Amino acid sequence: GAGVSQSPSNKVTEKGKDVELRCDPISGHTALYWYRQSLGQGLEFLIYFQGNSAPDKSGLPSDRFSAERTGGSVSTLTIQRTQQEDSAVYLCASSFDRANTIYFGEGSWLTVV
Amino acid sequence: GENVEQHPSTLSVQEGDSAVIKCTYSDSASNYFPWYKQELGKRPQLIIDIRSNVGEKKDQRIAVTLNKTAKHFSLHITETQPEDSAVYFCAASRRNTGNQFYFGTGTSLTVIP
Repeated sequence: GAGVSQSPSNKVTEKGKDVELRCDPISGHTALYWYRQSLGQGLEFLIYFQGNSAPDKSGLPSDRFSAERTGGSVSTLTIQRTQQEDSAVYLCASSFDRANTIYFGEGSWLTVV
Repeated sequence: GENVEQHPSTLSVQEGDSAVIKCTYSDSASNYFPWYKQELGKRPQLIIDIRSNVGEKKDQRIAVTLNKTAKHFSLHITETQPEDSAVYFCAASRRNTGNQFYFGTGTSLTVIP
């Protein structure tokens, strides 16, 4: 597609439920990033995929968070047993190669009630 | 790892005045410094970037300067307009070495008509 596509755009879930957020990067982009942005806050790094290399998971806040990238393209961020503090916008970004310009998706707005 | 600090966190200017946002970084190996603009409810979008072999770059009313020795870089917006109101994020990265992007905490710019 023309840009990074994320779904769902909005998600309201009950505390304790699991959620999956999807990211479809720009075609041909080998690097994919997930960031979290709480209301009025900055961009918190979560995880980074580059080609077939092992992902950099150093930003994942707890073991409730996991992500995978299948076939070097689409990525899914999974949050298990959601908590209210997980409420945020989850932004996905991709780039053509390592450390080149990254392009963001519109984000998935997650609200845990 | 890299640590990027950004100042100020909020900035208000009169329409037509200039705005300056400053960032410092800690990793001398960082060599790519993009700036992103995020309007309310929108995705961050790249507005300008600079590489470490360049001291200054301009694009119409926007310019970025880089001081490698002091490890700081700045965004300059001249003749500000109300549509410049947004949150601006700086970032640092090691281009082409597989490292991830480190973002500043953001500056909320308000241009007063």
